[in-house]
This record gives sequence, C-alpha cells and structure tokens, in this order.
Amino acid sequence: GAVVSQHPSRVICKSGTSVKIECRSLDFQATTMFWYRQFPKQSLMLMATSNEGSKATYEQGVEKDKFLINHASLTLSTLTVTSAHPEDSSFYICSALGHLSYEQYFGPGTRLTVT
Amino acid sequence: GQQLNQSPQSMFIQEGEDVSMNCTSSSIFNTWLWYKQDPGEGPVLLIALYKAGELTSNGRLTAQFGITRKDSFLNISASIPSDVGIYFCAGQNRSARQLTFGSGTQLTVLP
Repeated sequence: GAVVSQHPSRVICKSGTSVKIECRSLDFQATTMFWYRQFPKQSLMLMATSNEGSKATYEQGVEKDKFLINHASLTLSTLTVTSAHPEDSSFYICSALGHLSYEQYFGPGTRLTVT
Repeated sequence: GQQLNQSPQSMFIQEGEDVSMNCTSSSIFNTWLWYKQDPGEGPVLLIALYKAGELTSNGRLTAQFGITRKDSFLNISASIPSDVGIYFCAGQNRSARQLTFGSGTQLTVLP
C-alpha cells in the first residue's frame, strides 16, 4: 500500500520558536495533502488542505499566518508552526491523496511539545 | 469543523466478545470509512464503504453503509487483545475529498 512518512516523529521546542514538520509520500505522487491536529483524547480535526503548486486552504479558525503550509512538490508538504506557544502542543498528522484515488493515506504523526 | 456523532465513547469488553459501534450524521456522505488508531500513531484504514446499503467484511470486521447515507456501523467479532485502540468513523464527499471524523470509540479488551 501507499506509504506516507512524517518527520520528525517528536519535537520539543521553546515558546516563541518555529517548528517545521515534513510530510512525504514515499511511493506515489500526491497532488493533495491534508494536515490534521489531534489533542489528547480527541478526534482528528482538519486544519488545512494543501495542493501542490497553489496556496493551501485553511479551515475556519485556523490561522494561516501561524501555520504555514508549503506543498512545493508532488511528494512533499511542510507545516511550519510559527511562534509556537504551549497551547500549540498537539499531535499533528498529515495525509496524502493520490490523484486517481479518493483514499487518504495517513502519516504516523508528529508529537509537538512547546515548553 | 463538523464532527460525526460516534457511540459509544468507550467500551470495556471481555476477550472473545463481539463489539458494535456506530456513527450518525446530519449530512449525507458518499463514502464512509472506519479507521483504527493506536497510541502515538496515525490512523489506519480498516474498511471503506462506497454505496448506500453496502455491507463489507474484512476478517473479523463488518461494516455497513446506511441506506440514508447518514449513518454507518462497525462490528468486531470475537475480540482479541490487539483490537485495543481507538476506532474512528469518517465521512467523505467526493467533491471535497476531505474527511470528517467521528469523535472516536476507545476499545479496551480485557483478558
């Protein structure tokens, strides 16, 4: 099956710094990737839809200037959490969508802790 | 974003018992999916349902796509310890291709 990786798997950063999370589709090209955030004991909440070569579409309530998304190639999307604060601590999960498929393939997630 | 109503929120069952969980929505979906998430990992697809009324099995798992397109259930038969985890339903509309997730069911299997 299709494989999606995320890097790093865990990151701890200080408040006020920026953190970049990578999402890669390893064996297929993904025209669309999605970024989700999951707080403890809660469901996955869609943050934004990332389309290769165009601007990301953000869900209501998600600050586009704080969560910068770049989908520069068909196999890589990055999420940068700028000026991170403790309330940004969460589990960030990406998924990738093949252009011939409606199935989303999920990455293993990135645990972000802001101290 | 919108969430689906998933129940129960948690279940404690004995090994070998059958389990049932369901999701309902006020909106119609073209596709219903069921995922399992282990701690610290991303969700893994268990079953995908594409047609209203469809009943699909995957080993000990059986899921159905409701006729109204607004609900789905997942059954797990003869539960085993590795079934422990959080189960999520998700609805998808082909036009948007985005997934709307249910609130999850935490399953604990007691030996």
